[in-house]
Amino acid sequence: DQQVKQNSPSLSVQEGRISILNCDYTNSMFDYFLWYKKYPAEGPTFLISISSIKDKNEDGRFTVFLNKSAKHLSLHIVPSQPGDSAVYFCAASDAGNTGKLIFGQGTTLQVKP
Amino acid sequence: DAGITQSPRHKVTETGTPVTLRCHQTENHRYMYWYRQDPGHGLRLIHYSYGVKDTDKGEVSDGYSVSRSKTEDFLLTLESATSSQTSVYFCAISELRGPEPQHFGDGTRLSIL
Repeated sequence: DQQVKQNSPSLSVQEGRISILNCDYTNSMFDYFLWYKKYPAEGPTFLISISSIKDKNEDGRFTVFLNKSAKHLSLHIVPSQPGDSAVYFCAASDAGNTGKLIFGQGTTLQVKP
Repeated sequence: DAGITQSPRHKVTETGTPVTLRCHQTENHRYMYWYRQDPGHGLRLIHYSYGVKDTDKGEVSDGYSVSRSKTEDFLLTLESATSSQTSVYFCAISELRGPEPQHFGDGTRLSIL
């Protein structure tokens, strides 16, 4: 039973356009959500997070949106750059309880020049 | 970048042999985690530690044991390696239980033949 799902294994966008990566979760106890970026042969790097008390968090080109009623979050990258090509993982946590992270399967983003 | 070093970075071994992976941190963080990454599964928590000599199981702990005798070191042991434990293993650290990001090492690629 996968509590965090990324249903798109891959996404390809043109440089300069918007990239939208999606993530769904099933556990209503999750109250903290994160996105990580991973390059080959490296560990995941923290990108951006959002608490369940917010519906949007922005950091430069990266914005995360949270829709609690739909149990859905998305990561928007605007404008997309070739260096953004990587695997993106969403993760969720019941931070007020165990604090453990549950990860989605990942989405491979390719940004074409 | 968080000071996390995983060793070895690559290892090939045979079924039935014991294997120990090491995670060393220089951040003096209380929490340390071991994950494995497999295609189609994202990252899954194996074990974690919330202090010296304090450890607990994650979602895929069967066949693995851990030890933490010092704040800076967290060891993952496969007592008798099996081919199903071929994977990439990541160590992560965090200062608090949550809500805050975990920061990852660069991983150990383990192949069990």
